[in-house]
Amino acid sequence: GIQVEQSPPDLILQEGANSTLRCNFSDSVNNLQWFHQNPWGQLINLFYIPSGTKQNGRLSATTVATERYSLLYISSSQTTDSGVYFCAVGGNLFFGTGTRLTVIP
Amino acid sequence: NAGVTQTPKFRVLKTGQSMTLLCAQDMNHEYMYWYRQDPGMGLRLIHYSVGEGTTAKGEVPDGYNVSRLKKQNFLLGLESAAPSQTSVYFCASSYADGYTEAFFGQGTRLTVV
Repeated sequence: GIQVEQSPPDLILQEGANSTLRCNFSDSVNNLQWFHQNPWGQLINLFYIPSGTKQNGRLSATTVATERYSLLYISSSQTTDSGVYFCAVGGNLFFGTGTRLTVIP
Repeated sequence: NAGVTQTPKFRVLKTGQSMTLLCAQDMNHEYMYWYRQDPGMGLRLIHYSVGEGTTAKGEVPDGYNVSRLKKQNFLLGLESAAPSQTSVYFCASSYADGYTEAFFGQGTRLTVV
């Protein structure tokens, strides 16, 4: 299967700070999604972004498919942004191990 | 619009017992998936289905069986539960050929003692 690496594994931010999460993948893909797993375990769709750039409020994402990576940007972080962020790629969604984000008030 | 609904949300089993997890979607999606999530790890694919009456193995299929008798439902069965199957199970669905956005259920936390 496709190998997916996410970095950093853990991130602690002060409320209001910005951050960039990275997802590298081992093969060309036609499907890439970013998810937020909240502290209650629910998986929330953030972006479906096989290529290009999308923005949704304080969050944006960019995928450069030819170079096999995607970036998730979080601006002006809030405590509600805490949780684990997953990148998943490929037709059957191969998941990375996630970035655990903690936002401190 | 409920999306993807999993039943039950929590379950405790004794080693050797059997159970079935139900996933139901109301989005008329063709593709459905079962994943498991273990502590500190991402989700891993157990089985998937590309349409009513079809099933296929994923990355970690051993010890599980599935059925897709109706388009809207995807069942995951454990015939003889083992402690190694203690995990959180997620169901997902997507519209067409897998290369479209997938949506997940709320998860089922299963403990095998």
